[in-house]
Amino acid sequence: DSGVTQTPKHLITATGQRVTLRCSPRSGDLSVYWYQQSLDQGLQFLIQYYNGEERAKGNILERFSAQQFPDLHSELNLSSLELGDSALYFCASSGSGLTNEKLFFGSGTQLSVL
Amino acid sequence: AQSVAQPEDQVNVAEGNPLTVKCTYSVSGNPYLFWYVQYPNRGLQFLLKYITGDNLVKGSYGFEAEFNKSQTSFHLKKPSALVSDSALYFCAVRDKRRAAGNKLTFGGGTRVLVKP
Repeated sequence: DSGVTQTPKHLITATGQRVTLRCSPRSGDLSVYWYQQSLDQGLQFLIQYYNGEERAKGNILERFSAQQFPDLHSELNLSSLELGDSALYFCASSGSGLTNEKLFFGSGTQLSVL
Repeated sequence: AQSVAQPEDQVNVAEGNPLTVKCTYSVSGNPYLFWYVQYPNRGLQFLLKYITGDNLVKGSYGFEAEFNKSQTSFHLKKPSALVSDSALYFCAVRDKRRAAGNKLTFGGGTRVLVKP
């Protein structure tokens, strides 16, 4: 068990809808990362937060947004969903967000857009 | 831009035999390289990293990786594979730009199947 909790584990929704994925980092970790894993794109970095502030941004679509709250949990909001958004979304955390720290990954949220 | 390539989609090996999972990288300057493993229905787990120093890096579960600058490779190795090593393995490189935070760029992954 990595200590990173993601909810829900599975999510089925329709095109055009909006969903929210939730992540609780390991106790004491200040940095949270979101990754998308799909068959065609592989593992893609979306965004990193450190202590509530955006730290780095990757290939995150404008329809997607994220935030990290004062209690350090994070949410990834996906809107105007398309079929191609179906993927496994991982959250990871690390202690201070310093470079070259190892990441601890949650088990992911499997999103299916029908 | 930095990138990593894992040329093999799948590696099959008999239990007890040596296991090698290949990774090559493309970065400017010195690379920061990582290996992660993903078991079914689980998130990725850190195995090892190369930042600087010895070219042979030892990691978790008996794995090690050899950094070869001239060949721009960072192959993962295990002297004697176990059936429980069957999983999906990812090589990754860290983006060294300041604005990239602790972002990792992952390879496409290599599925390892260890047969009894």
